Parts: sequence; C-alpha cells; structure tokens
Amino acid sequence: QKEVEQNSGPLSVPEGAIASLNCTYSDRGSQSFFWYRQYSGKSPELIMFIYSNGDKEDGRFTAQLNKASQYVSLLIRDSQPSDSATYLCAVSGGGADGLTFGKGTHLIIQP
Amino acid sequence: DAGITQSPRYKITETGRQVTLMCHQTWSHSYMFWYRQDLGHGLRLIYYSAAADITDKGEVPDGYVVSRSKTENFPLTLESATRSQTSVYFCASTEGFVYNEQFFGPGTRLTVL
Repeated sequence: QKEVEQNSGPLSVPEGAIASLNCTYSDRGSQSFFWYRQYSGKSPELIMFIYSNGDKEDGRFTAQLNKASQYVSLLIRDSQPSDSATYLCAVSGGGADGLTFGKGTHLIIQP
Repeated sequence: DAGITQSPRYKITETGRQVTLMCHQTWSHSYMFWYRQDLGHGLRLIYYSAAADITDKGEVPDGYVVSRSKTENFPLTLESATRSQTSVYFCASTEGFVYNEQFFGPGTRLTVL
C-alpha cells in the first residue's frame, strides 16, 4: 500500500524566517508530487507540484524532490502569518489516478 | 463562475437514509475524484472517473455509489448512511493526465446521526 509520511507538527517558525516542510513516500514508482495548503475549515489549495529531481521555485515557495531518497520538501521563504495552515504532501503514480496524501503538517508562523 | 462546486455544503442525516452529494465543474476536465477527510486519516480516495460512464474504485469505496452521465457532474451517493460515514467530502478534478494536478471543490460536511 502506498504511504506518504509527514511530521504532524505543529511546526512553529518566526515571521520572516524560512519554513521547511518534509515528506517521504513509499512507492518508488511515484511520478508526480504535490504540495497543498489547507486552512482550517477550507478545501486543499494546490501551491506547488514537481516531477523531476531537483528544485522548483515559485515566488516564496521552493519544492525539492529527491527520488533516490524518496523525499519531497517545501521551503517557504520570508514566512508570513498568512502562511499558517496545514500543508499536505501528495503523490501520484502516473496518469490521472487518485492522489495519495500524507496527514499534513500544521505550520504556525509567529508574528 | 468557472470552477468546481459542491452541494450541499452541510448535511445532517440519519443512519440508514440515502444521501447524494453533488459535484459540478465548469473546466471540462475529463477526470473527477471523490475524497473523504477524517481526523487521523487524512484525505482518502473513494471513487474516481476518467470520463462520462467510466468510474473506478479508490481506497475506501464500500457504502458509496457514483455515476457520471455528464462530464461536468460527478454525484456521490451513500445508499444507506452509517455513522462511520460522518466526514468532510471533497470533490476534485484534473485535465492534467500527465502530471495529475488536481483542484478541489469547497467540500461537504456530512454528519450521520
């Protein structure tokens, strides 16, 4: 069974610092990797996806993928209080199958 | 408005009743999905559909039925609701069959008494 593991947190980071969120996955055949942000009581919002080893940057967000280590991370630079949310890591086996989600990391940005 | 909508947003029902949750998307995405989100379990796939009249089971399909007669609609039916089906249900869609980036609806909070 495919598994995605995340530290549940809470992860507390001072405003303006870099928040680092990590995720490991069990299925070596996984093809695409996603980071969703979910505010309390709201639906998941896609913020980044990555499919090649290395880094992918989008504004303050950087996704990092290491397929050999089966490891995905999300860096948030210049963290803002509005970044406080639960961050969900998800993986896809290829094609349009369902995503396998981790349970999420609760991030708190302290003003 | 373009996007993905779900109705109702909140529903309270009783054990044994049939309940249908609606999902509608205006992007003309081919693929649609139903997930449930529970504390301690995260998001889990119930059913998905690749096109009209093509559906397949996910991780937790028992007790649920889906149909897809039109590309834009993907209703989820609980044939005889049980308390264990109390959850938040999310519909999602994607056209990206290469990268599979999925976009979620606002969710339906279902309580089964």
